[in-house]
Amino acid sequence: DIQLTQSPSFLSASVGDRVTVTCRASQGISRFLAWYQQRPGKAPKLLIYAASTLQSGVPSRFSGSGSGTEFTLTISSLQPEDFATYYCQHLNSYPFTFGPGTKVDIK
Amino acid sequence: EVQLVESGGDLVQPGGSLRLSCAVSGFTLSDHYMDWVRQAPGKGLEWVGRTRNKAQSYTTEYAASVKGRFTISRDDSKNSLYLQMSGLQTEDTAVYYCARGGTVAGRHYLDLWGRGTLVTVSS
Repeated sequence: DIQLTQSPSFLSASVGDRVTVTCRASQGISRFLAWYQQRPGKAPKLLIYAASTLQSGVPSRFSGSGSGTEFTLTISSLQPEDFATYYCQHLNSYPFTFGPGTKVDIK
Repeated sequence: EVQLVESGGDLVQPGGSLRLSCAVSGFTLSDHYMDWVRQAPGKGLEWVGRTRNKAQSYTTEYAASVKGRFTISRDDSKNSLYLQMSGLQTEDTAVYYCARGGTVAGRHYLDLWGRGTLVTVSS
């Protein structure tokens, strides 16, 4: 099975900061990667799919990049509603797995 | 309105069974792959399994942790997805989400999620 790791597991940032989260796969997954946002007590929400395609309705301050085994999620200017936990998920082969998550908290 | 609504979560004893439902509205269920994803209290997301769409004969895939104990089914005429769980263990305690596979990019990314239903396995 393909394992995903995320770094950092936790980060503290201020409104307006540029934030980057990294997701690494244990083997190559081409660009079959998604990013989700989960606010406390809420369901996950798809932000980015196919590594870099912004889901409809998601603000343009979110962007994704990468291929193979290393991927990044970037928030260009952190907004109050962006404080949440972010998960990556690969869809390269079954079973699909999620990364352990990165919690973005208010500094 | 396009939405997914899960139901059926409950307190169940170890070794017991439970069936979760996911009511679908606002889109044609038969066109879509559908997944179940779970989240243990205070933990991350875990993919449980998938049913493909009608065109792919509704075939299924499962995580190793549930294979042989959980079964995903669907009734497109009732706009419903199901997760039949048996041999439940305490580690199956989680919020269970149903999620829709999108129809772009060839990989059916999970573009719509329900709010989840809580399953607690305890004696």
